[in-house]
Amino acid sequence: DVVMTQSPLSLPVTLGQPASISCRSSQSLVYSDGNTYLNWFQQRPGQSPRRLIYKVSNRDSGVPDRFSGSGSGTDFTLKISRVEAEDVGVYYCMQGTHWPQTFGQGTKVEIK
Amino acid sequence: EVQLVESGGGLVQPGRSLRLSCTASGFTFGDYAMSWFRQAPGKGLEWVGFIRSKAYGGTTEYAASVKGRFTISRDDSKSIAYLQMNSLKTEDTAVYYCTRDPTWGQGTLVTVSS
Repeated sequence: DVVMTQSPLSLPVTLGQPASISCRSSQSLVYSDGNTYLNWFQQRPGQSPRRLIYKVSNRDSGVPDRFSGSGSGTDFTLKISRVEAEDVGVYYCMQGTHWPQTFGQGTKVEIK
Repeated sequence: EVQLVESGGGLVQPGRSLRLSCTASGFTFGDYAMSWFRQAPGKGLEWVGFIRSKAYGGTTEYAASVKGRFTISRDDSKSIAYLQMNSLKTEDTAVYYCTRDPTWGQGTLVTVSS
């Protein structure tokens, strides 16, 4: 299985400041169709996961534009340009290129 | 609005069976693949399996950890996806979520304990 490694696992941030989460895969996530199936999810406390980003850099409907995704191959990043209180939670990367789909361990974002 | 509502969770003894349901609304259910994920208490997310739409054969795929014990099915006439879980183990204890890309249900808790 493809191993997804996130860092850091805990991220204390100051309101209004940027935040960045790294996700690395154990093999390239470029699929034979040319797409890279790397998604980012947010899970707020007590809630279900919510997809924020699909195929590396595409924001889902309703996702604020302070969230952005980037990367290629095996290295990916989720950035929050200015952290707000509602961004507290755990963030997961997930690859859908190789079977089975696999997740990173999660990064807990909290306010300092 | 796409909505997914899981039901059927509860406390079950090891070795027993349980069937979860995922009732969908807000979209043409039969046109979409449906997936199941789970999250053990205080842990991360794990893909369990999925079922393709009838247009793609209605076939299924499973994680190695549940293959041979879990079965996913669908009733397009009722807009329901099912997760039949047999030979349950304590390590199957988790919140189970159904999803239709990108929407997730609220989850249902399954506790396997004697």
